[in-house]
Amino acid sequence: LAKTTQPISMDSYEGQEVNITCSHNNIATNDYITWYQQFPSQGPRFIIQGYKTKVTNEVASLFIPADRKSSTLSLPRVSLSDTAVYYCLVGDIVSRGADGLTFGKGTHLIIQP
Amino acid sequence: DAGITQSPRHKVTETGTPVTLRCHQTENHRYMYWYRQDPGHGLRLIHYSYGVKDTDKGEVSDGYSVSRSKTEDFLLTLESATSSQTSVYFCAISHEHQGMTYEQYFGPGTRLTVT
Repeated sequence: LAKTTQPISMDSYEGQEVNITCSHNNIATNDYITWYQQFPSQGPRFIIQGYKTKVTNEVASLFIPADRKSSTLSLPRVSLSDTAVYYCLVGDIVSRGADGLTFGKGTHLIIQP
Repeated sequence: DAGITQSPRHKVTETGTPVTLRCHQTENHRYMYWYRQDPGHGLRLIHYSYGVKDTDKGEVSDGYSVSRSKTEDFLLTLESATSSQTSVYFCAISHEHQGMTYEQYFGPGTRLTVT
């Protein structure tokens, strides 16, 4: 079972860097790690995906240590519009079947002025 | 944004009536998914499809059936709606390459109320 563990909620302030960590102790060799963002009344939106070390795109960075048992989503200089729920997924439907699409409850990030 | 639409966007129906939700994509992606989202439960997979006429069950498939007769359409049917199926339903798509699926793109959602 591709179980992941994330904090239920986090608070931060505008302009700060926010790091959200996800634990996935039973990650398999061929599993990728994917993060999504969801605003109220909208479907989740893909943020970033990685396999090892560091991945960076225009909105976030993803840090994955050598043992790959955790990953950290880093959001630089957050703004109020980054208030959302963030989900970490491990694996995919091909490698893990339906277990690869376990979104869980995610992390509710609240950004304050 | 990925070309994925859902219809209807809102529906109110009575217990015991059949309901069909439609997901339509213009991306020609192989994989399509139906989720439901309820307060306190996050997103839960109902069914998914990995090609025309190829479907499989997800975590919460009881009371739901699906069909995919064309690449672009994935239908979710509640044969006899119950109040416990009141939820927001999201469709998603993803492409597959060399034995792996990539990120999912989600539709706008359908809010279903069963009275």
